[in-house]
Amino acid sequence: RKEVEQDPGPFNVPEGATVAFNCTYSNSASQSFFWYRQDCRKEPKLLMSVYSSGNEDGRFTAQLNRASQYISLLIRDSKLSDSATYLCVVNVRAGANNLFFGTGTRLTVIP
Amino acid sequence: DAGITQSPRYKITETGRQVTLMCHQTWSHSYMFWYRQDLGHGLRLIYYSAAADITDKGEVPDGYVVSRSKTENFPLTLESATRSQTSVYFCASSELQGARTDTQYFGPGTRLTVL
Repeated sequence: RKEVEQDPGPFNVPEGATVAFNCTYSNSASQSFFWYRQDCRKEPKLLMSVYSSGNEDGRFTAQLNRASQYISLLIRDSKLSDSATYLCVVNVRAGANNLFFGTGTRLTVIP
Repeated sequence: DAGITQSPRYKITETGRQVTLMCHQTWSHSYMFWYRQDLGHGLRLIYYSAAADITDKGEVPDGYVVSRSKTENFPLTLESATRSQTSVYFCASSELQGARTDTQYFGPGTRLTVL
């Protein structure tokens, strides 16, 4: 079983729509959670960390559900510039060497 | 501010040849990483380094060698390239704060094709 699983999509949504991605992780002892964004043929970049209490950054909201072992990313009022692949990332154990990446969910925002 | 750079950006080689991918960071981060990204697999850790002269295997280390003689450089060598090593390779760096993982910053990637 993979450490991190995501729906690969693609998600095609119109501008202004709200879209949500989910990600599940297998190790209940996982410590830290992140969403990274990756544009086509570019490197991944941190979008936001995911905290137990949930956190919001502008149009983006991340939630963590430890009981069900999933994290989510909600994007409100989608912009064309949000088109990218969103990677769910989980740190299974303390330490920088234990990040596991999901395969990514591809989002296309349509005019 | 150069950040983290990789060279070459594109490389085509033949089966059996030795190839070295370079990674250089200007932040003096302690940790450096090498990942490969393939369709259907996401990013997988090849090797990582916690400091100069300290390296350790990741999830998929076979066929690769790393070294870290200087904090800022972390080259990845394919000793005898195989077609299965055709991939996009990303180098990353981070600074660990206590036991908490800090953000990993990625280089632009190297697209390697092994014929």
